[in-house]
Amino acid sequence: AQSVTQLDSQVPVFEEAPVELRCNYSSSVSVYLFWYVQYPNQGLQLLLKYLSGSTLVKGINGFEAEFNKSQTSFHLRKPSVHISDTAEYFCAVSVSGTYKYIFGTGTRLKVLA
Amino acid sequence: KAGVTQTPRYLIKTRGQQVTLSCSPISGHRSVSWYQQTPGQGLQFLFEYFSETQRNKGNFPGRFSGRQFSNSRSEMNVSTLELGDSALYLCASSKTTYREGAQVYFGPGTRLTVT
Repeated sequence: AQSVTQLDSQVPVFEEAPVELRCNYSSSVSVYLFWYVQYPNQGLQLLLKYLSGSTLVKGINGFEAEFNKSQTSFHLRKPSVHISDTAEYFCAVSVSGTYKYIFGTGTRLKVLA
Repeated sequence: KAGVTQTPRYLIKTRGQQVTLSCSPISGHRSVSWYQQTPGQGLQFLFEYFSETQRNKGNFPGRFSGRQFSNSRSEMNVSTLELGDSALYLCASSKTTYREGAQVYFGPGTRLTVT
């Protein structure tokens, strides 16, 4: 069975500083990995996804993530955050061959002025 | 192109009542999934429908049910509401049956409060 762990429930960071949001997954089969962002009172928006190929994945809004199979991690990074990046971020893995996603518990990113 | 729409956006119900939530997928999308989001349990998969057939189901009691119509619109129903059913219910749609790399699009959700 697949599972996803987001180690940090909240991450405060100053504007223009770099940030890394951590995600570890567990799966006995090949996985597809995703990062979603949720702004207040909104649904989920896809930031980026890893299906196969290059382990460094670039997404929208300047975010990128690196798939590390040996460490079973898929950490999200941004070199310089903006106030508008304040939101909740979810890491997810899809169950093989389905649209069923297993989500992590989320990380609240708070960007401080 | 309009996104996934969910109605109503907010709903208040009393324990013991039942509720029906509606989801209209993006035009041309035939797969619809439902998720429950709560502060304690996070995002949990409820079920997925494709071409009016339930293809996957999460670990929720039978009080939670859903259906999909021929126009791909979907409804989910919760009977005998409990306080713990208070949550944001998210609907997501995708164009086809599952294929690698296909993107899933989420709606804004329906906020259900049970008192």
